[in-house]
Amino acid sequence: EAQVTQNPRYLITVTGKKLTVTCSQNMNHEYMSWYRQDPGLGLRQIYYSMNVEATDKGDVPEGYKVSRKEKRNFPLILESPSPNQTSLYFCASSLSRAEREYFGPGTRLTVT
Amino acid sequence: QKEVEQDPGPLSVPEGAIVSLNCTYSNSAFQYFMWYRQYSRKGPELLMYTYSSGNKEDGRFTAQVDKSSKYISLFIRDSQPSDSATYLCAMRRTGFQKLVFGTGTRLLVSP
Repeated sequence: EAQVTQNPRYLITVTGKKLTVTCSQNMNHEYMSWYRQDPGLGLRQIYYSMNVEATDKGDVPEGYKVSRKEKRNFPLILESPSPNQTSLYFCASSLSRAEREYFGPGTRLTVT
Repeated sequence: QKEVEQDPGPLSVPEGAIVSLNCTYSNSAFQYFMWYRQYSRKGPELLMYTYSSGNKEDGRFTAQVDKSSKYISLFIRDSQPSDSATYLCAMRRTGFQKLVFGTGTRLLVSP
């Protein structure tokens, strides 16, 4: 089944404790993105990747890192999480730049 | 001012009603327009994808784009309780990967 998977689905952590949210797609897509979704602000892009070893900042990259060492994986790294990073995070992938994006199921992160 | 504006709702309708969901935008460079449906605790799923102006129909769903007014709509005919979800509009410029989303409209269809 074609899909985007994320892990973990739910995470509660404390300020400053490094964490990684994994994202994997099995559709051989070139483009992958990370979004965060907050009430009243909608979905905002954090980072995106055009292909392996090619990443760029989205609208809200501060406090986040990404890497794309393999085509199928695009982890999101929070080196020192803070409470304002409490949010619902989505990974997405698409075949190419203008194609539809497929979204993962989401990761709900709470930073206390 | 946000690039894309969308009424958050909730919009409550009885089963069988025709639903109209709308977004306005400010950037005339947007050329690709999408509607996503998001159920609670799920990721958004693409419903409709249109390029430039005009209408597109798919079953009970019709997407309209009016670029002169910078206004897009999604119509749902014969609405069902299973249509209860949040509907997100999104748009993109030609040559750019980034999607700009509206904040979503929550729709409730009662039996």
